[in-house]
Amino acid sequence: DGGITQSPKYLFRKEGQNVTLSCEQNLNHDAMYWYRQDPGQGLRLIYYSQIVNDFQKGDIAEGYSVSREKKESFPLTVTSAQKNPTAFYLCATGRTEAFFGQGTRLTVV
Amino acid sequence: DAKTTQPTSMDCAEGRAANLPCNHSTISGNEYVYWYRQIHSQGPQYIIHGLKNNETNEMASLIITEDRKSSTLILPHATLRDTAVYYCIVRGVSMNYGGATNKLIFGTGTLLAVQP
Repeated sequence: DGGITQSPKYLFRKEGQNVTLSCEQNLNHDAMYWYRQDPGQGLRLIYYSQIVNDFQKGDIAEGYSVSREKKESFPLTVTSAQKNPTAFYLCATGRTEAFFGQGTRLTVV
Repeated sequence: DAKTTQPTSMDCAEGRAANLPCNHSTISGNEYVYWYRQIHSQGPQYIIHGLKNNETNEMASLIITEDRKSSTLILPHATLRDTAVYYCIVRGVSMNYGGATNKLIFGTGTLLAVQP
């Protein structure tokens, strides 16, 4: 919302395949975040980046990887090592106030 | 980041004020109180935040107790579109890169159901 674009909105993948989720922002924010949400649960932090070319693991980073080559972009790769990849994935940007995208719902079959 | 405790769910009649409580007894002096809400299947939406003074904006008011161990989010005239999960978060805000963490830690929030 408000300059954060996540794509696609729905994504289906076969088990064992890596998949990359896109997050782009035009808000000129340094900080970007990736969260995962499971049904009926709150959001859990996967990775975050406070500046280009730097990122830190969150609480549930295992099975995920990220890159931050440009300020505008913070893609998340869900690897085959992630045991339960089916979830709702949310990207956020900002420092004082975090702004969230509309999410990508990933289903692995 | 300090943990928060919120009721699992609350009801509110349309047009009435919705008062959502949050306990954060372990909050430290440099941590802010943030409120977000999430409507089903959408990304969370920022509502308001404060340090120790009460805050008001076009969406809501935030009342923080003097000891800062609890707060209340007030939606003055709830509408059906305010039905959502409301998250109370405490978070340190640092302007330094590197070691500082500005991450938001979400709990399970309060499901507010506004009834017609």
